[in-house]
Amino acid sequence: SQKIEQNSEALNIQEGKTATLTCNYTNYSPAYLQWYRQDPGRGPVFLLLIRENEKEKRKERLKVTFDTTLKQSLFHITASQPADSATYLCALYNYGGSQGNLIFGKGTKLSVKP
Amino acid sequence: EPEVTQTPSHQVTQMGQEVILRCVPISNHLYFYWYRQILGQKVEFLVSFYNNEISEKSEIFDDQFSVERPDGSNFTLKIRSTKLEDSAMYFCASRGIRTGDQPQHFGDGTRLSIL
Repeated sequence: SQKIEQNSEALNIQEGKTATLTCNYTNYSPAYLQWYRQDPGRGPVFLLLIRENEKEKRKERLKVTFDTTLKQSLFHITASQPADSATYLCALYNYGGSQGNLIFGKGTKLSVKP
Repeated sequence: EPEVTQTPSHQVTQMGQEVILRCVPISNHLYFYWYRQILGQKVEFLVSFYNNEISEKSEIFDDQFSVERPDGSNFTLKIRSTKLEDSAMYFCASRGIRTGDQPQHFGDGTRLSIL
């Protein structure tokens, strides 16, 4: 079955630096890979989706890359701010089912220090 | 922006009791999901629901669990006889149009504590 690994449980960086988070998956390459943000006690909030035929996707200070050869996605936050502190989840659709339920990684907790 | 709402935010129940968690998905969405997250662990899929029936369920979703869409707006998860290991955050999610590349929108969850 498909597995997702987010290599770092926690990442601490200084404000203004670029945060880079890693997501690796096993088995088949998904058609789409998604990144969510989760704050303590809250539900996941969708950030970005990247398709298998896209190498890179950007949204404001966020950038996602997708390498199907390495079976890896990288998530970057440039010019990081303390407000970016949260847990970031990588997710992909399990197309074993018909309605595309999501398989999540455990997440990387990002702390941005002022 | 429309959002998924869940009630209650926190539910405390004695082991063996029945509990119903409620969700109001985004109004024009067609696909509905329940996930759970045990403290410190990853978000796990429970069940998906479309066209008034279960589309898929995980191994976690055993006979103690059921889902229902009793009217046009609510989507409920029932746990018939709760166990200590059912303690978790339960998230409802919904998705709109048919193509699989649309994101799921999550509620802020119900924290279920079984005593």
